Amino acid sequence: DIQMTQSPSFLSASVGDRVTLSCKASQNINKYLAWYQQKREEAPKLLIYNANSLQTGIPSRFSGSVSGTDFTLTISSLQPEDVATYFCLQHKSWPLTFGSGTKLEIK
Amino acid sequence: EVQLVESGGGFVQPGRSMKLSCAASGFTFSYYDMAWVRQAPEKGLEWVATITSDGSSTNYRDSVKGRFTISRDSAQSTLYLHMDSLASEDSATYYCSIIPPVYNNPGWLAYWGQGTLVTVSS
Repeated sequence: DIQMTQSPSFLSASVGDRVTLSCKASQNINKYLAWYQQKREEAPKLLIYNANSLQTGIPSRFSGSVSGTDFTLTISSLQPEDVATYFCLQHKSWPLTFGSGTKLEIK
Repeated sequence: EVQLVESGGGFVQPGRSMKLSCAASGFTFSYYDMAWVRQAPEKGLEWVATITSDGSSTNYRDSVKGRFTISRDSAQSTLYLHMDSLASEDSATYYCSIIPPVYNNPGWLAYWGQGTLVTVSS
């Protein structure tokens, strides 16, 4: 199985900060990675697919990038409503596997 | 508007069975692969199973193979997950999700329902 390692597990930042979350795949997954936002007591919401494609309706402050097996989700200017846990998902091969999540809070 | 509404969760004893349903609307159900994903309380996400748009092919995570069966009824626009021999490790919120048409990979999970909670306990 492909292992997805997310870091950090917890992040505290101020409103307006540029925030970067990381996800590393244990092997090559090309660009087949998605990012999700899960707010407390809610279902996950798709933010990014294919590493850097923004899902319809998602604010442009969210962006994704890839370098080899290292993937990054960037929030260009953190907003209070961005408080959530963020997960990555590799969709290169079965079984689909998620990272363990990064919990993002406002400082 | 895409809507996925899961139902069928609740309390069940270890070793017993349970069937989950996911009623879909707002899109052409028969065009899309569908999946079940679960999340144990305060834990991460775990993909469970996927079924192709025509129901001809399925994939399961190893821990549920032989115990869980994913199926679909296109006439009813409903996705199912039949779970046998349930164990405490299967306790989780179960979400159904839509997979968009893709090539060369299993595809990502585009839209999710609100989930239904399954608790396996004696």
